[in-house]
Amino acid sequence: GAGVSQSPRYKVAKRGQDVALRCDPISGHVSLFWYQQALGQGPEFLTYFQNEAQLDKSGLPSDRFFAERPEGSVSTLKIQRTQQEDSAVYLCASSLGPRAFFEAFFGQGTRLTVV
Amino acid sequence: TQLLEQSPQFLSIQEGENLTVYCNSSSVFSSLQWYRQEPGEGPVLLVTVVTGGEVKKLKRLTFQFGDARKDSSLHITAAQPGDTGLYLCAGRQEYGNKLVFGAGTILRVKS
Repeated sequence: GAGVSQSPRYKVAKRGQDVALRCDPISGHVSLFWYQQALGQGPEFLTYFQNEAQLDKSGLPSDRFFAERPEGSVSTLKIQRTQQEDSAVYLCASSLGPRAFFEAFFGQGTRLTVV
Repeated sequence: TQLLEQSPQFLSIQEGENLTVYCNSSSVFSSLQWYRQEPGEGPVLLVTVVTGGEVKKLKRLTFQFGDARKDSSLHITAAQPGDTGLYLCAGRQEYGNKLVFGAGTILRVKS
């Protein structure tokens, strides 16, 4: 596609519910990143994929957070037993590859509200 | 602790004024990117700088990467209301390729 696509744009979950957030990267992009962004703040790194390999998951805040990219294209971020502190915008970005000059392009994000 | 320190956090200026946003770190980055983000949208890439000392211009915006590739600045000349938004710097780490962000600078340009 023309850009990074995320779905849904908005998600309201009851506390304790499981959610799945989807990211469709730009076609052919090898690298994929997930970020969490609080209102008015910079994005915080969650995890990074190179193709289907999850090379860095150091930013995942707890074992309730899980990300996968089984075929090296679409990625899903899953949050189990959601808590109110999980409320944030979840951003996905992709880049052509891991080299320094490969620019990262972001989707519009999924705004998750846990009630 | 924020790996990339951005300053100022908030800037409110009049149309026509100049401004500079700073992005500093004690770490070396293989590249640094600047983004602009509007409410409800994802960050939009403005520029990528790769070489130490590099300067790039994008109309009224001038971006500079420090010689040691640890810091960067964004200078806007004659700011306009359309420049209003959240400006983010992001550095790609030399090892691991993680892209780390500063906390952002909220710019408001009043007409």
